[in-house]
Amino acid sequence: ETGVTQSPTHLIKTRGQQVTLRCSSQSGHNTVSWYQQALGQGPQFIFQYYREEENGRGNFPPRFSGLQFPNYSSELNVNALELDDSALYLCASSLKGSSYNEQFFGPGTRLTVL
Amino acid sequence: AQKITQTQPGMFVQEKEAVTLDCTYDTSDQSYGLFWYKQPSSGEMIFLIYQGSYDEQNATEGRYSLNFQKARKSANLVISASQLGDSAMYFCAMREGYVRDDKIIFGKGTRLHILP
Repeated sequence: ETGVTQSPTHLIKTRGQQVTLRCSSQSGHNTVSWYQQALGQGPQFIFQYYREEENGRGNFPPRFSGLQFPNYSSELNVNALELDDSALYLCASSLKGSSYNEQFFGPGTRLTVL
Repeated sequence: AQKITQTQPGMFVQEKEAVTLDCTYDTSDQSYGLFWYKQPSSGEMIFLIYQGSYDEQNATEGRYSLNFQKARKSANLVISASQLGDSAMYFCAMREGYVRDDKIIFGKGTRLHILP
């Protein structure tokens, strides 16, 4: 069973740039959720993708967007980067309809915006 | 108002002792789920234990148990016989009802230090 993987592990960008983060879901899972974790805080829900459609969104502006592909992998895109976007970005995969929709997290991508 | 409150920013515990990490939650839903995750310095969130709101028995997973007190809206994590490898951030989290997006709401975490 392959776990959740994310790429890249680290990324440095400057304000105003755009970034794409990638996530491969665990084998057998059909749902991917993205979270932003600022330093010293708990993760904050960005959005979730299920069957290639956005299936719920947290309190994040439209410059945060995503995609899910037929193989259930997913991308998180952030446009017009701001300094406050510096954080650990976590993706989690799950199987919708399972006993408690347990989410399995990847190792994260640490984004630094200068 | 915070949905998940973890009042202990940091804790120091002697190896082999038991430790209790506090968590209180706020929801008006009758159906919800409570989770505990461990986050080592590497950053990955590791699922530890789950408690459903309708589960009458406290959840247990190896050395981890969840002390669920529904009337008090409390879901404390108990780690028995602590080990040096238990040093990490611990997050309490909740999923409310059968919401469409299944999002998990996290607390701010407790940093646990196990002393040799």
